[in-house]
Amino acid sequence: AQKVTQAQTEISVVEKEDVTLDCVYETRDTTYYLFWYKQPPSGELVFLIRRNSFDEQNEISGRYSWNFQKSTSSFNFTITASQVVDSAVYFCARSMGGSEKLVFGKGTKLTVNP
Amino acid sequence: DGGITQSPKYLFRKEGQNVTLSCEQNLNHDAMYWYRQDPGQGLRLIYYSQIVNDFQKGDIAEGYSVSREKKESFPLTVTSAQKNPTAFYLCASKSLRTITDTQYFGPGTRLTVL
Repeated sequence: AQKVTQAQTEISVVEKEDVTLDCVYETRDTTYYLFWYKQPPSGELVFLIRRNSFDEQNEISGRYSWNFQKSTSSFNFTITASQVVDSAVYFCARSMGGSEKLVFGKGTKLTVNP
Repeated sequence: DGGITQSPKYLFRKEGQNVTLSCEQNLNHDAMYWYRQDPGQGLRLIYYSQIVNDFQKGDIAEGYSVSREKKESFPLTVTSAQKNPTAFYLCASKSLRTITDTQYFGPGTRLTVL
């Protein structure tokens, strides 16, 4: 199966620490999209970023940054100067080329303590 | 406001009963999806629909049924044949007019079988 692996099940940090969430994916597709979603305690999945397989530029949005490395099939997510409001479960996902499916990792639960 | 609504937020059902979860979107999205989330797990696709009056099975369709009579609505019925229905159910939608594959999610329904 073409899996998405988030090896970190839970991470706990203290506010203002930087934290990186790892995501490694498997694929045989040449064209695909990668995603990160945030799931706060309320339950709704909030879209954070989409990256297509041809664009390996890193992206920064405020305190969030993403590092896409096709050579290692990784799409890691870093939160700089974490805040309590960042506490959530974060999911990495990959589209399957030519189909409607998204394949999700099992998520990483991030707890930011004051 | 544009968005995806799911109702009810919490649902309790007795064993042997069918129950229907509502999902409505006013984003004019073509495609709609149902996912199931179990504790500590990623999302698994139940059913999806790209057009009115048509839908396809996802990875775990057994014990579920759907309909797509209107573009805005994609209700999910959890039947008594579903052996372990207690879970968090998420509905999503996506525009098919772009190739970005981004799915947007509703707030979810938590189903508990008593």
